[in-house]
Amino acid sequence: GAVVSQHPSRVICKSGTSVKIECRSLDFQATTMFWYRQFPKQSLMLMATSNEGSKATYEQGVEKDKFLINHASLTLSTLTVTSAHPEDSSFYICSARDWGTSENPSYNEQFFGPGTRLTVL
Amino acid sequence: QKEVEQNSGPLSVPEGAIASLNCTYSDRGSQSFFWYRQYSGKSPELIMFIYSNGDKEDGRFTAQLNKASQYVSLLIRDSQPSDSATYLCAVVNNDYKLSFGAGTTVTVRA
Repeated sequence: GAVVSQHPSRVICKSGTSVKIECRSLDFQATTMFWYRQFPKQSLMLMATSNEGSKATYEQGVEKDKFLINHASLTLSTLTVTSAHPEDSSFYICSARDWGTSENPSYNEQFFGPGTRLTVL
Repeated sequence: QKEVEQNSGPLSVPEGAIASLNCTYSDRGSQSFFWYRQYSGKSPELIMFIYSNGDKEDGRFTAQLNKASQYVSLLIRDSQPSDSATYLCAVVNNDYKLSFGAGTTVTVRA
């Protein structure tokens, strides 16, 4: 099956620093990747859609200048949390859509990375 | 109204019983429907997806979809303690984005 990795799995940083999270599709090409955030005991909330070679599309209420997304290749997307603050502490999860398996609009499976636990002190 | 709503939990079932999870969605244009399982501290893992009306079975899991009623369900037969997790219903619309429900936490009592 399609594998998505994330790095780092866990990060603790001081308030005001920037943190970069990498999301890689290991065995397939992903023209579209998605970034989610999950607070404790809540569901996943989509932050942004990342398209290879173009600017990311952010969901309403997500600050694009704070959460910088770069999708420079078909296998790598990065999320940078700039000037992180304690309220940014969360579980960040990426997913990737395997464009190569099917273009049938009925088949829209996303493969999730293992997540990155961010704690801002 | 939320896009995707799931029956409130937590749901506690004895080992060997059937766990029934329900989900409704608001967008009639929704195309694909997914059930994910999420263990505490982990990312979601796909259990099943369904996009045609009717039933779809995979091992102990059966997904049911009724587009007219905008309803999708998941049955877990012969529930095992390892099935204890939060189950997330997710719906994909024309823009390929996943909208998740709040999740239902299931506890299987040994």
